[in-house]
Amino acid sequence: DTEVTQTPKHLVMGMTNKKSLKCEQHMGHRAMYWYKQKAKKPPELMFVYSYEKLSINESVPSRFSPECPNSSLLNLHLHALQPEDSALYLCASSQGQRDEKLFFGSGTQLSVL
Amino acid sequence: QKEVEQNSGPLSVPEGAIASLNCTYSDRGSQSFFWYRQYSGKSPELIMFIYSNGDKEDGRFTAQLNKASQYVSLLIRDSQPSDSATYLCAVDRNQGGKLIFGQGTELSVKP
Repeated sequence: DTEVTQTPKHLVMGMTNKKSLKCEQHMGHRAMYWYKQKAKKPPELMFVYSYEKLSINESVPSRFSPECPNSSLLNLHLHALQPEDSALYLCASSQGQRDEKLFFGSGTQLSVL
Repeated sequence: QKEVEQNSGPLSVPEGAIASLNCTYSDRGSQSFFWYRQYSGKSPELIMFIYSNGDKEDGRFTAQLNKASQYVSLLIRDSQPSDSATYLCAVDRNQGGKLIFGQGTELSVKP
């Protein structure tokens, strides 16, 4: 199994809503990542988890809250988002934090109204 | 100066030609270099990585790295219309887990 699975594929939410994005991998990878990508722009790193511990937070606003319940799962909890947060949210995994060969999920296209 | 720079394109080549994609980076301490392909509406997919100076070949793809000049390139031989995509150069910050992506080069292969 070489897939990173993300759900949902599309999400529309209001600025007062709370929602969660989910990511799962069964490749035995120990590093998992959240990236944000705007149209025609490269992915921007948000968070890195290594061995289920948060190791990098790229100064992301607190309205984004990551969670890594176990080595296969990664969540991104969303609360009080702004319209400018609308983007493609990509989950990725790699064997380890020092191995940056990333496997990306198909992403969640988020629209904040 | 951006940390990783690529020509945004679009780069247009005829089918069967060699496509040459270039990338320069600013951090001399970078050790790992990656090329990702992203089709429109899809997520990035790793196609090549290179760690040492010189060339690395994989099928129709060749990655070239010159650390002294701080550039990395990707050659695609016998280009096919299915190669039409945005190609993202990514460079590590030697900090483990922090890849810096270039803006991407849009490649169009015309039949």
